[in-house]
Amino acid sequence: RKEVEQDPGPFNVPEGATVAFNCTYSNSASQSFFWYRQDCRKEPKLLMSVYSSGNEDGRFTAQLNRASQYISLLIRDSKLSDSATYLCVVSREAAGNKLTFGGGTRVLVKP
Amino acid sequence: DTGVSQDPRHKITKRGQNVTFRCDPISEHNRLYWYRQTLGQGPEFLTYFQNEAQLEKSRLLSDRFSAERPKGSFSTLEIQRTEQGDSAMYLCASSLGTGVNYEQYFGPGTRLTVT
Repeated sequence: RKEVEQDPGPFNVPEGATVAFNCTYSNSASQSFFWYRQDCRKEPKLLMSVYSSGNEDGRFTAQLNRASQYISLLIRDSKLSDSATYLCVVSREAAGNKLTFGGGTRVLVKP
Repeated sequence: DTGVSQDPRHKITKRGQNVTFRCDPISEHNRLYWYRQTLGQGPEFLTYFQNEAQLEKSRLLSDRFSAERPKGSFSTLEIQRTEQGDSAMYLCASSLGTGVNYEQYFGPGTRLTVT
């Protein structure tokens, strides 16, 4: 079983709609949580860190549920430019803060 | 551009040849990480440095792989006697601090194709 699991998708989303997806992580010692966005054949770019209280950045909202060990990302008012692969990432300080990635969730926003 | 840079961006090599990649982290970032990503997968950790010290190497990093970070600035990743299975995107990331929640920023990657 992979340490970070994601639904690979694709999630086909009409422009302007809301889309939400989760990831689950198996290591309860994980301390830091992130969502990265990756465009085709490009490097991952940090979308947002995820905090225990949940956090919002514009149209993006992330939630963390430590008890159930899952992280969610919600995108409101989807834009065509939101089409990408979203990578769920965890890390912990005792492991040198190396990032452990899920396989990614592909989102396709269509007009 | 003050972000992480990597060179070359693309490398095509024949099986059995040696290749070396370079990563220049964001200035003053003391942590530097190497990851490898194959098609359809998330990046996987290879190794990392705290300043010039290499602190961990993944089991993915066979004896054919070596990484250095002389003087705690840029880093190089060398693959000796390349194999077709080494074909992947090699990503470098840097981070300012060592505590929880310090974010890592990635370079554009070096795409290696072994023929």
